[in-house]
Amino acid sequence: ETGVTQTPRHLVMGMTNKKSLKCEQHLGHNAMYWYKQSAKKPLELMFVYSLEERVENNSVPSRFSPECPNSSHLFLHLHTLQPEDSALYLCASSQERHNEQFFGPGTRLTVL
Amino acid sequence: SQKIEQNSEALNIQEGKTATLTCNYTNYSPAYLQWYRQDPGRGPVFLLLIRENEKEKRKERLKVTFDTTLKQSLFHITASQPADSATYLCAIGYSGGGADGLTFGKGTHLIIQP
Repeated sequence: ETGVTQTPRHLVMGMTNKKSLKCEQHLGHNAMYWYKQSAKKPLELMFVYSLEERVENNSVPSRFSPECPNSSHLFLHLHTLQPEDSALYLCASSQERHNEQFFGPGTRLTVL
Repeated sequence: SQKIEQNSEALNIQEGKTATLTCNYTNYSPAYLQWYRQDPGRGPVFLLLIRENEKEKRKERLKVTFDTTLKQSLFHITASQPADSATYLCAIGYSGGGADGLTFGKGTHLIIQP
């Protein structure tokens, strides 16, 4: 596979569930990102990892927990989410921290 | 906080004409500005990057300008085709410390009519 892949593509979960989103990049990039995209709103940066270290956390609620075990993989662990967390969650990677970003197809999350 | 405004939610252009999309930002100028294309149900795809010391960038039928005085970038698609119909996102970034992710606008939905 090439590029940035995300699994699952669709996820429906209850507010008490625990789930994880997975992102994998096959581009040899050093930086990875999580974004949230809600209807009628711009993409919102959630987390940035550079060389597996978290660089930025834009005041994201603690019910979202990122994990970056190596430079190719990024996870977003979800627990006790709210219905307003329903959105498209996009993963991206870049060679360095200020270059163009390559996005995955996203995970469409619905919280009931 | 930095805000990005992109012109109109939908822009209708006749095939063959030039489509011009606007991106305006407030506050301090970014180190670079990027344009992405997003199709329904897909992640954004990178198109062009222009840095603060550059006035213009071209790639095939695409052209981007960056005016730090006006705090504005213009994105042009010449000889537009129906396949160019998509949402186009403007994003800004800053070098150095602090946020390394991009700050995006809401996007402009471009429709090229045959």
